Amino acid sequence: NAGVMQNPRHLVRRRGQEARLRCSPMKGHSHVYWYRQLPEEGLKFMVYLQKENIIDESGMPKERFSAEFPKEGPSILRIQQVVRGDSAAYFCASSPNLDSTYEQYFGPGTRLTVT
Amino acid sequence: KQEVTQIPAALSVPEGENLVLNCSFTDSAIYNLQWFRQDPGKGLTSLLLIQSSQREQTSGRLNASLDKSSGRSTLYIAASQPGDSATYLCAVKGDYQLIWGAGTKLIIKP
Repeated sequence: NAGVMQNPRHLVRRRGQEARLRCSPMKGHSHVYWYRQLPEEGLKFMVYLQKENIIDESGMPKERFSAEFPKEGPSILRIQQVVRGDSAAYFCASSPNLDSTYEQYFGPGTRLTVT
Repeated sequence: KQEVTQIPAALSVPEGENLVLNCSFTDSAIYNLQWFRQDPGKGLTSLLLIQSSQREQTSGRLNASLDKSSGRSTLYIAASQPGDSATYLCAVKGDYQLIWGAGTKLIIKP
């Protein structure tokens, strides 16, 4: 039973390019969460999605960032026109349902470097 | 607004010592609390999950306690080893999002 998968593991983009980060939740999980860890900082919640729905994007910057979780395929975190301040580790987690007692299972993360 | 604090920010101890890491949170309305380990440049390893109705959880040399009323959790590591060197993070769960402490960087000296 594969865990949460994220790809790519490392991504290098030049300023102004687009970054696409993918997250495949654990089998049977329909809830996905994205967190960001800036260098030397703690993790911060970005967005919570269910299949085809964004439930809470309160932690996501208003501009250049978007997220989706389509009916088929992985969840995508998209960053347009990247800047150096976007360099960070982006972690995805999944859970089977909305039961708040459930654990969130984390992927290995994508490390984005903007040059 | 929930805030999570971890003290100390860094800790260095000789191998073999028992040690305690602290985590405090401002809002006791949590569903659970989780301790993670993160090695430099690596991902997150879940160590222990304590539900709000529980007082403690144990796994091997690790023991985590939770006192919701006082807004505190501790992670106890027995007989520390150099391989325990890492950053330890605690996170509390509200309705669905995890709210994280900044971590304690632990160094175990051989």
